[in-house]
Amino acid sequence: AQSVTQLDSQVPVFEEAPVELRCNYSSSVSVYLFWYVQYPNQGLQLLLKYLSGSTLVKGINGFEAEFNKSQTSFHLRKPSVHISDTAEYFCAVSVSASRGTSYGKLTFGQGTILTVHP
Amino acid sequence: SAVISQKPSRDICQRGTSLTIQCQVDSQVTMMFWYRQQPGQSLTLIATANQGSEATYESGFVIDKFPISRPNLTFSTLTVSNMSPEDSSIYLCSVQTGGMGEQYFGPGTRLTVT
Repeated sequence: AQSVTQLDSQVPVFEEAPVELRCNYSSSVSVYLFWYVQYPNQGLQLLLKYLSGSTLVKGINGFEAEFNKSQTSFHLRKPSVHISDTAEYFCAVSVSASRGTSYGKLTFGQGTILTVHP
Repeated sequence: SAVISQKPSRDICQRGTSLTIQCQVDSQVTMMFWYRQQPGQSLTLIATANQGSEATYESGFVIDKFPISRPNLTFSTLTVSNMSPEDSSIYLCSVQTGGMGEQYFGPGTRLTVT
């Protein structure tokens, strides 16, 4: 079975500062990796995904993440945050099946609440 | 991607009653999922609902408590039966488009059981 650990439950940061939200995963098989964002009282929005290829992936709203297989990590970064980035961020994994497909089930981390202060 | 709507968006229910949540997608999808997000917690998968077959439930979730229907490729319902205050959560449906595991989520149904 796979698991996801988000190392920080809350991350406060000032506006225009850089931020990193940490995610580590555990799996005995290959996985696909995702970051989702949940704004207050809303559903989840896909920020970015790692499926294969380049280990640095770029997503929406200026976010990027780097897949590190040796450290089983997938940390999310943004060089300069805005007040509007205040939200909860979830890291998730999906087990990859044969022929580049997925079994579908997403396993989520516990979430990191990012609070951007003016 | 896909556009997903859920009804109702929120509800307050009395213990012992049941609530059916609807999930509608704007395109045909094979795989649909139902998640629960308890207050202050992450998402937990309840079941996978594929059209034409019985839903597959995760450990800790049973069909008698959370019956699911999937009559076609754009619609699914989740019923929360015989509710107790512990069922107070946000219930989200999601769909997988493509084969790589990325899922798109509905806005959620916020359920409060009194």
